[in-house]
Amino acid sequence: AQSVTQPDIHITVSEGASLELRCNYSYGATPYLFWYVQSPGQGLQLLLKYFSGDTLVQGIKGFEAEFKRSQSSFNLRKPSVHWSDAAEYFCAVGAGYSSASKIIFGSGTRLSIRP
Amino acid sequence: NAGVTQTPKFRVLKTGQSMTLLCAQDMNHEYMYWYRQDPGMGLRLIHYSVGEGTTAKGEVPDGYNVSRLKKQNFLLGLESAAPSQTSVYFCASSHWDRAGGSSEQYFGPGTRLTVT
Repeated sequence: AQSVTQPDIHITVSEGASLELRCNYSYGATPYLFWYVQSPGQGLQLLLKYFSGDTLVQGIKGFEAEFKRSQSSFNLRKPSVHWSDAAEYFCAVGAGYSSASKIIFGSGTRLSIRP
Repeated sequence: NAGVTQTPKFRVLKTGQSMTLLCAQDMNHEYMYWYRQDPGMGLRLIHYSVGEGTTAKGEVPDGYNVSRLKKQNFLLGLESAAPSQTSVYFCASSHWDRAGGSSEQYFGPGTRLTVT
């Protein structure tokens, strides 16, 4: 069965600094990987996804993520964070239609921005 | 398009009461899901549906029932609410993608339920 680990519960970075949020997954085949963002009191919004092809994926709001099969990782990066990036970020792994399209979410990383 | 909508946004129940949460999507998606979100636990799948008239159990189905009589609607029912069901509930939908199976999921804004 697939699983997702986000080792950082809470991260604080200064505005303008670079950001990397870690995500490790466990799945026997090629996974489908996602990053979602949740602002306070809101639902989840998709930032980016990886299904196949280029392992560096570009998303919305200036985010990118890199799939590294050898490390079972899908870390999220942004070169310069803005105060509006403060939110909770969820990594997720899906196994495709063979498992009825279920997606497993990590427990989330809360990002705070220091002025 | 409204996307995924949820009704109600907030609700307070007493232990033992029943209620139904409604999820509607206007994207003609085949798949629909109900999750609960609790602090420090991410999202956990309660039930899901791969098409009209079909439902299946997720990770934490006990105490909940679902129905999908119409493709655009997915109802989550609590027959006898318990304090342990205090949570934020999210509905999501996705379509079938030939290349990758299910596409990404689109989420509603959530329902905050408190059971006293």
